[in-house]
Order: sequence, then C-alpha cells, then structure tokens
Amino acid sequence: GNSVTQMEGPVTLSEEAFLTINCTYTATGYPSLFWYVQYPGEGLQLLLKATKADDKGSNKGFEATYRKETTSFHLEKGSVQVSDSAVYFCALTAGYSSASKIIFGSGTRLSIRP
Amino acid sequence: DAGVTQSPTHLIKTRGQQVTLRCSPKSGHDTVSWYQQALGQGPQFIFQYYEEEERQRGNFPDRFSGHQFPNYSSELNVNALLLGDSALYLCASSFVGRGRRGTEAFFGQGTRLTVV
Repeated sequence: GNSVTQMEGPVTLSEEAFLTINCTYTATGYPSLFWYVQYPGEGLQLLLKATKADDKGSNKGFEATYRKETTSFHLEKGSVQVSDSAVYFCALTAGYSSASKIIFGSGTRLSIRP
Repeated sequence: DAGVTQSPTHLIKTRGQQVTLRCSPKSGHDTVSWYQQALGQGPQFIFQYYEEEERQRGNFPDRFSGHQFPNYSSELNVNALLLGDSALYLCASSFVGRGRRGTEAFFGQGTRLTVV
C-alpha cells in the first residue's frame, strides 16, 4: 500500500543552522508529494508541494525535490529561524485528483534555539 | 474568506456517549474530508464527502459516520465513544467539480475531543 516514512524527532537546531528532514515514500503510480506544517495549537498548513518527478517545491525558504529514483522528498532550509519551530509532516496523494485522500507521515517536531 | 471553520474547538465527552463535530468548507469548495490525529501522530483519513455522498473511506469502524449538506458543510458523528477516540479531528475542504483534477486540500483548526 501507499505510505510515507519520515525521520523521527524531535530535531533541535540553533537559529541560522541548516535544516534537513528526510522523507521517503512508497506508492503505486505517480503520487503528488507535500510538506505540511502544524504550529502549536493550530491545524495543518500546506508548506509546499510537487506533482511530478524532478519538480522542486519551495515556500518561505523551504525546498523539497521530488526524487522518483530514490522515492524521496526531503525538506531543506538554508537558515532556520525561531519562528520555524513546529511539527512538519510529509504526505502524499495517490489518486488522480489533488483532492484525493492524503497519507501522512508521523511528523517531525522541530525546535529552534535562539 | 473565512477558510475552513470547525466547531466546537474543544469538547469533553464521557465514554459511551455520542458526539457530533461540524465543518464549514472554504468558499467555493465542494468536497469535505475528515481526519483523526492522535497525540504525537500524523493525521489518519476517516472519510470524504462529495455531492452529499461518502466517496472514500479509511480504516475506521462504523461508529464513525458522516453527512454532507446541500451547502457543502459536513458533520462527523462518533457513537459509543471509547477512550481511544480522544484526538484532534481535522476537516479539510477542496474543490473537485466534474472531470477536473481538483485543488489541494485546505485544513481547519480542528476540534480537540477528549473522552473521559
């Protein structure tokens, strides 16, 4: 079946450090891939997405590249800020429609020290 | 645009009781999906409603049921509550339309359900 595996947290970094959160997936066909972010006490916000192989999604300084050969979609940011502290979820949809059900990873909690 | 709104924000129920959670989709959206997020876990898909019918369902028992109204709003009902039903319940809306690829989902803030 379809699934997402992401690195376990928590991840603690100092401000301005480089961030990588690993994510790999298993899916039939050609899934769309997403990163969602959940700030404390809030719902999920879409951070970035990629819908086909070699696409790079980017937003707010975060980037992730859809790698079909390694079935990966790692999240990176060159210089993190305290305001980036949140839980990050890697996810995929496997249906034709972008509104298809979303399969999430277990989440990675990120804490940034001033 | 108010986005996706859910009510109530918090709820405490006793084991065995029944609960109804409500969701209003983002303006222009016609599809509502429900997810359960247990503490420290990723959200799990419960079901999806489109044109007032359940279109997809995840691996949840029949105690979980739903409804979509003509104005696209939706309810999630859970009967015979168990302690393990304590979670954040998230509603997501999207636009599917007819014969289109559709838009990605927008999530509400969630309803925190505690079963005691």
